Amino acid sequence: IQMTQSPSSLSASVGDRVTITCRASQSISNYLNWYQQKPGKAPKLLIYAASNLQTGVPSRFSGSGSGTDFTLTISSLQPEDFASYYCQQSYSFPYTFGQGAKLESK
Amino acid sequence: EVQLVESGGGLVQPGGSLRLSCAASGFTFNTHAMNWVRQAPGKGLEWVSGISGTIGNTNYADSVKGRFTISRDNSKNTLYLQMNSLRAEDTAVYYCAKGAVYYDSSGYWRALDSWGQGALVTVSS
Repeated sequence: IQMTQSPSSLSASVGDRVTITCRASQSISNYLNWYQQKPGKAPKLLIYAASNLQTGVPSRFSGSGSGTDFTLTISSLQPEDFASYYCQQSYSFPYTFGQGAKLESK
Repeated sequence: EVQLVESGGGLVQPGGSLRLSCAASGFTFNTHAMNWVRQAPGKGLEWVSGISGTIGNTNYADSVKGRFTISRDNSKNTLYLQMNSLRAEDTAVYYCAKGAVYYDSSGYWRALDSWGQGALVTVSS
């Protein structure tokens, strides 16, 4: 299953609302996870099952979607949110990730 | 607190072999699936392999099938990745990641909820 994210990179300012999309090459129901990765660090799980916030993740992060189209939204961007974001399908093996979306400061 | 510590990375020649280890603590190791995920320099994440908790069922990415072998020793709380016939394109940071399962009335969902700091593998002559 191929996962395609868009955009691959984006520039935004603190306080902005940001949306990243992820499309699966076939229906994956809601077996979709989102991760955040900062430079030189391991990825961190943000959202599982398309819309469920992992414990400890700020509520400004939200996820939605089902089937083939999914979105990650940051409602009000904070300085610590500048990072790369990856979607990942857990519908079937082999698990696959999107190519990533790099969020940079404008 | 969950801790995952990878070791065994390094420089290896093309065609060579290397074994990565991941020492786990802070959770009941034998009840969780474990995974290896890699990231080539400047590139995105690629899931490499996974192994279930007790039975030890394994799965692999097509790019490593037949060359890499995942295993675990539940008595030592340790995950392994044996990498043979290494290629330049296997150069990456290799992360060990713990599998989580989330349940509700509709079913269950899997994700990778804890990650190690990574081990760098460089394949070069």
